[in-house]
Amino acid sequence: AQRVTQPEKLLSVFKGAPVELKCNYSYSGSPELFWYVQYSRQRLQLLLRHISRESIKGFTADLNKGETSFHLKKPFAQEEDSAMYYCALRGLGGGADGLTFGKGTHLIIQP
Amino acid sequence: DAGVTQSPTHLIKTRGQHVTLRCSPISGHKSVSWYQQVLGQGPQFIFQYYEKEERGRGNFPDRFSARQFPNYSSELNVNALLLGDSALYLCASSQQGDYGYTFGSGTRLTVV
Repeated sequence: AQRVTQPEKLLSVFKGAPVELKCNYSYSGSPELFWYVQYSRQRLQLLLRHISRESIKGFTADLNKGETSFHLKKPFAQEEDSAMYYCALRGLGGGADGLTFGKGTHLIIQP
Repeated sequence: DAGVTQSPTHLIKTRGQHVTLRCSPISGHKSVSWYQQVLGQGPQFIFQYYEKEERGRGNFPDRFSARQFPNYSSELNVNALLLGDSALYLCASSQQGDYGYTFGSGTRLTVV
């Protein structure tokens, strides 16, 4: 069974401080990992996925298969980063194509 | 482009009733997925349809069913509603059922 764990329900950091949102996963095959973000009163939207290796809005995430982690990082937090962040997994190569989401981390950036 | 549209935005039903939720994907997207999001939890996968065929099913009872129409829009049906079915139901579309999921704003279902 596949599982995504986001250990922090709430994370509060000051503007300009580094941010790290933790995500650990459990999956027996080759996973595809994503970060989704939901800003206040907006719909869920894709932030980044590990395959593209992009940096979106200053955020990066590296897939660490040894530690089964996909932590989201940003060196300098901005107030507009305040949102709900969800880590998600999709199995490659078979089975249901749905995403398995973590419970989410509410990131608050304090001025 | 209107994005993924869902209707209705809110509804209230009584236990035991049936409900139908609707989703229109982004133009050109052939795959639609449905998710249930209970308060305080991440979305949970219910179904995925691609080219009108079911491609995947999550761990939900048979009371939940769905279908996709020739224009790629989709309906999610839930029979014999329970209080625990109260949730935000999200629809997501993608071109081929791959990674590029775009989510709708959801339908907030309350069962009383």
